[in-house]
Amino acid sequence: NAGVTQTPKFQVLKTGQSMTLQCAQDMNHEYMSWYRQDPGMGLRLIHYSVGAGITDQGEVPNGYNVSRSTTEDFPLRLLSAAPSQTSVYFCASIPEGATEAFFGQGTRLTVV
Amino acid sequence: AQRVTQPEKLLSVFKGAPVELKCNYSYSGSPELFWYVQYSRQRLQLLLRHISRESIKGFTADLNKGETSFHLKKPFAQEEDSAMYYCALKTGTGTYKYIFGTGTRLKVLA
Repeated sequence: NAGVTQTPKFQVLKTGQSMTLQCAQDMNHEYMSWYRQDPGMGLRLIHYSVGAGITDQGEVPNGYNVSRSTTEDFPLRLLSAAPSQTSVYFCASIPEGATEAFFGQGTRLTVV
Repeated sequence: AQRVTQPEKLLSVFKGAPVELKCNYSYSGSPELFWYVQYSRQRLQLLLRHISRESIKGFTADLNKGETSFHLKKPFAQEEDSAMYYCALKTGTGTYKYIFGTGTRLKVLA
């Protein structure tokens, strides 16, 4: 099993550009989520999904869109990148009925 | 309000010294608490969960509902314990949402 895989690992965007951060898991986990990690602020939940076709907002959803067309994939879209979205982004998945979250290796995004 | 507080951004200790990473929480229900660790250049991974009452890599954590705390302890720190530690609260039964603290960077000095 590859676990949770995020691509790309690094990305530099210009203000106003759009892009999609990819997240895939091969463990058949129902629950997936996106966090952003900022210095002094810990991990904050952006969006989450409890299964294919179901998504909901977390603590800091503005400026981000998600969709969940399959169990395996949970992409995060930045609609119009802003410098405030410079962060490290983590995708995580949890199997149904469990509590341990499995994290991807992170995507370091810089918006200039 | 649901909240997890880790008051120390950085904790430096010498090898062999005891370690205590503090975590306090605010939650109206019955809490499920966890410690996650992120070693350099590695992904975040689960270290401990309070319901299992286990010791992992010499670390233990006891839930104190009276003081609303879940401090992480180790009697003798090792250099390989140097990492970022996050305390996390799972918000409610049947949900999978975590609230993370701001993290404490532990540096174990030789």
